[in-house]
Amino acid sequence: QKEVEQNSGPLSVPEGAIASLNCTYSDRGSQSFFWYRQYSGKSPELIMSIYSNGDKEDGRFTAQLNKASQYVSLLIRDSQPSDSATYLCAVTLFSGGYNKLIFGAGTRLAVHP
Amino acid sequence: DARVTQTPRHKVTEMGQEVTMRCQPILGHNTVFWYRQTMMQGLELLAYFRNRAPLDDSGMPKDRFSAEMPDATLATLKIQPSEPRDSAVYFCASGAIKTGGEKTGELFFGEGSRLTVL
Repeated sequence: QKEVEQNSGPLSVPEGAIASLNCTYSDRGSQSFFWYRQYSGKSPELIMSIYSNGDKEDGRFTAQLNKASQYVSLLIRDSQPSDSATYLCAVTLFSGGYNKLIFGAGTRLAVHP
Repeated sequence: DARVTQTPRHKVTEMGQEVTMRCQPILGHNTVFWYRQTMMQGLELLAYFRNRAPLDDSGMPKDRFSAEMPDATLATLKIQPSEPRDSAVYFCASGAIKTGGEKTGELFFGEGSRLTVL
């Protein structure tokens, strides 16, 4: 089992719709969770972080965390073509006395006009 | 405009040659991560430094890869000898991590070094 799992997609949604991206993780002790966005040919950039169970909203983005189910999600409201990118879920894994950041393989999102 | 700087941006080399990639983290950041990205494997963690000390290099093939941080402004990743399977984009990322380890994942990535080994 991979430490962080995501559906590779592509997830195709029409402009203006809600895009829902999901991620599961294997380490029940993980405490910090992140969503990065990566445009084709570019480097990942942090868009959301979440540390507690529940929802965290930032503009059109909402991150949701359920530690009991070991599940993290990202909702993008009013999706725009400019949101088309690969979304990487990242989770801290405590090992050897420190936290390290492990990424999922990413979900490719395509927003079509 | 603070950013992580990586060199070279592109490198084409022949199998068996030595490759050195360099990274200048954002001033004041105390952690540096090296990742490798391929279509098949996604982002793989190669090495992790905090306050210049190596904390984890378990993701690196030890016989050919080495990572160092000779000072706070420079991290290096070296491959010797290089092999075609090393072809990938190598990313350096830095962050400012507090003692408790929280916000370990709030990283800033460089633009990457695209390596092609023929």
